[in-house]
Amino acid sequence: GAGVSQTPSNKVTEKGKYVELRCDPISGHTALYWYRQSLGQGPEFLIYFQGTGAADDSGLPNDRFFAVRPEGSVSTLKIQRTERGDSAVYLCASSSGRSSYNSPLHFGNGTRLTVT
Amino acid sequence: KQEVTQIPAALSVPEGENLVLNCSFTDSAIYNLQWFRQDPGKGLTSLLLIQSSQREQTSGRLNASLDKSSGRSTLYIAASQPGDSATYLCAVRREDEKLTFGTGTRLTIIP
Repeated sequence: GAGVSQTPSNKVTEKGKYVELRCDPISGHTALYWYRQSLGQGPEFLIYFQGTGAADDSGLPNDRFFAVRPEGSVSTLKIQRTERGDSAVYLCASSSGRSSYNSPLHFGNGTRLTVT
Repeated sequence: KQEVTQIPAALSVPEGENLVLNCSFTDSAIYNLQWFRQDPGKGLTSLLLIQSSQREQTSGRLNASLDKSSGRSTLYIAASQPGDSATYLCAVRREDEKLTFGTGTRLTIIP
């Protein structure tokens, strides 16, 4: 079966532009997570969805970042007025069910965002 | 605030040796701990998940242990192979669903 799919795999954009990053989770997984990983660091939490709603968005760094999951499947992470400091690998993960406390997270390969 | 530490940051061992990777965390109120591997330019691959009530989990040549009260976990790799070369990350999950990651151990197996 297909794993978590993220597109694009690489995105280069100019400072100040708007970008959208897409995540297609494993079919049937209700929990979806976005993480951001800087070079040499572990991933840092951004936002978590349970179904269509954002259950926890406390990791979003500021109001330029926004994420949606309108039908409870595909999610889009949106970044407005990009800054060079936003450059990182953005990782998406999904896990199954409300009992996700003990379900492993499955990660996609990430989108490498470079802001020039 | 939960902090997760992995030491060493990098490790090189000859092929065939057994090795242990270490992970420590500051807040023992966790639901589970998960070990991942990450290959360069790739996402994370889940290796093992240990629930808070468990002491260890095994998968093939991998064995992960958990001592929740002391805030420690180890990942044991038996008979290492060059294909095991990767960065290994541990992450702990608390009630708030978030995973908190360590910064990883970069493992190199020397043929």
